[in-house]
Amino acid sequence: DTEVTQTPKHLVMGMTNKKSLKCEQHMGHRAMYWYKQKAKKPPELMFVYSYEKLSINESVPSRFSPECPNSSLLNLHLHALQPEDSALYLCASSPGLQTSTDTQYFGPGTRLTVL
Amino acid sequence: GNSVTQMEGPVTLSEEAFLTINCTYTATGYPSLFWYVQYPGEGLQLLLKATKADDKGSNKGFEATYRKETTSFHLEKGSVQVSDSAVYFCALSTFSGGYNKLIFGAGTRLAVHP
Repeated sequence: DTEVTQTPKHLVMGMTNKKSLKCEQHMGHRAMYWYKQKAKKPPELMFVYSYEKLSINESVPSRFSPECPNSSLLNLHLHALQPEDSALYLCASSPGLQTSTDTQYFGPGTRLTVL
Repeated sequence: GNSVTQMEGPVTLSEEAFLTINCTYTATGYPSLFWYVQYPGEGLQLLLKATKADDKGSNKGFEATYRKETTSFHLEKGSVQVSDSAVYFCALSTFSGGYNKLIFGAGTRLAVHP
């Protein structure tokens, strides 16, 4: 089983709202990732967690706040977003971070619209 | 630096035509190479991968060979179907800055008509 699940599938929020995106994997992977994908573009890395600790933050604005409650779950908390933050948010996981041969497995994404 | 270049799309083919999507890369060290596919409204799915030179990845009739001498990883399929219509991303993975980083090409949109 190589499934990564994400909820919700779609989310519409106002600029003053607080919302959260959720990601879950049960493959025993120790690395989890958040990506942002704009239309007709490849995914852009936002955050990397390794063994439940934040390893990489690609200079993401503080209105995006990641959280890894346990090895299977990854959340992305959203607050005071801007319309330009509207995008597809993808979660991914991989067995680890220490080798380039590991495959990243992606979830179906959450389509976020900020009004 | 590390980068991936894909042929620009869209690529438009008739059903049962032969498909080639070109991908070349620039990398230091020994990257792994991947093809991901993204169907409309969905996330990325791994299509195939190769982890060392001369390896051939294959899946669902698609194949690609890791060519170190030409730094290429071209995607091919002998007979495409309408259901293959999607965006295809070539990517390389390299251990850099203490973690495994995935670098994507710009993506190539494929449209297959009956």
